Amino acid sequence: DTAVSQTPKYLVTQMGNDKSIKCEQNLGHDTMYWYKQDSKKFLKIMFSYNNKELIINETVPNRFSPKSPDKAHLNLHINSLELGDSAVYFCASRGRTSTDTQYFGPGTRLTVL
Amino acid sequence: DQQVKQNSPSLSVQEGRISILNCDYTNSMFDYFLWYKKYPAEGPTFLISISSIKDKNEDGRFTVFLNKSAKHLSLHIVPSQPGDSAVYFCAASVYGGATNKLIFGTGTLLAVQP
Repeated sequence: DTAVSQTPKYLVTQMGNDKSIKCEQNLGHDTMYWYKQDSKKFLKIMFSYNNKELIINETVPNRFSPKSPDKAHLNLHINSLELGDSAVYFCASRGRTSTDTQYFGPGTRLTVL
Repeated sequence: DQQVKQNSPSLSVQEGRISILNCDYTNSMFDYFLWYKKYPAEGPTFLISISSIKDKNEDGRFTVFLNKSAKHLSLHIVPSQPGDSAVYFCAASVYGGATNKLIFGTGTLLAVQP
């Protein structure tokens, strides 16, 4: 029973297209995140939502727009894809416990041609 | 400006020996530290954590040490097993609150040779 799931796992698309990545968690967590792992393997936070409210918005181009329809879902929509958007995108979630343990999804490898 | 650094991109260890992975940080506000393990084509998996009020936390074969004055932490794996071969990420945060975010290091690839 997957705790944090993402779809699709692989996404290959042309420059200029618009695409979405979906994330769902069944852990009952309140906070969800999107991270980007670039070609240098550096994992960097992009966004965080808490109870459907945006609470962290790092320096990310406006072409990236997260959407949280409910606590269990956080989707990432990317407009006008560019070559530099090619990366692995990870979703994560965290509960309200006394630790900061974040649980990660399996990742979505996005390749922009 | 990388606040969490793992200066060794890779480490090779013989099975049964100790693996020591190191991590340095620059932000003195960080008070919670975590290690994640990542296999290829999978997401990072939480391994062990430590808060700044401690200097050691142990969980089975894994021990994390924190030296606040040196802004340094390390992960010890004893004994190392081939299944431990993975990329290990160190992460840090300021504890508590919904706005918490993890700052990750660049990872160390551990290879445990049989």
